[in-house]
Amino acid sequence: DTEVTQTPKHLVMGMTNKKSLKCEQHMGHRAMYWYKQKAKKPPELMFVYSYEKLSINESVPSRFSPECPNSSLLNLHLHALQPEDSALYLCASRTNFAGGYEQYFGPGTRLTVT
Amino acid sequence: SQQGEEDPQALSIQEGENATMNCSYKTSINNLQWYRQNSGRGLVHLILIRSNEREKHSGRLRVTLDTSKKSSSLLITASRAADTASYFCATGLYGNNRLAFGKGNQVVVIP
Repeated sequence: DTEVTQTPKHLVMGMTNKKSLKCEQHMGHRAMYWYKQKAKKPPELMFVYSYEKLSINESVPSRFSPECPNSSLLNLHLHALQPEDSALYLCASRTNFAGGYEQYFGPGTRLTVT
Repeated sequence: SQQGEEDPQALSIQEGENATMNCSYKTSINNLQWYRQNSGRGLVHLILIRSNEREKHSGRLRVTLDTSKKSSSLLITASRAADTASYFCATGLYGNNRLAFGKGNQVVVIP
């Protein structure tokens, strides 16, 4: 299984809502990533988890709260978002074994904040 | 900060032609990767070239790496309509869990 799944595919939320994005992989990868991507731009790294511990936070606003409950799951909790947070949110994973550099991406969640 | 940076040009080619994209970066790297992204979808890893390699092939893909010039190119031969996508290069640094993505190239293959 070389798939990273993300749910939901689309999400529309108001600025006062609380919602969560979910990412799952069963490749045994121990590094997992959240990216934000605006239209016609490259992905921007938000968070990195390594062995279920947060290793990188790219100064992301606290209205985004990541969580890694186990080695297969990655969540992104959203609260009090702004319209400019509307974007495609991508999850990725990577093996921690030496020489394993490529990242496997999920299809993304298209988020619209109204 | 962005490491890889492709030439910011969109390519529009006829099916069957070759498509070439370039990428430059600023610091020493461990590897350089190319990814494809179809409209509004996730990225798909295409090919990885390590810093001690100069050229690599995978199917219709050919990637070159010139570490002295800090640049790479991706060639897609005999393009197909299904190759229409955005292509990103991304550099991996030593001892670093992250990739630095370039700006991306939009390729349109006209049937």
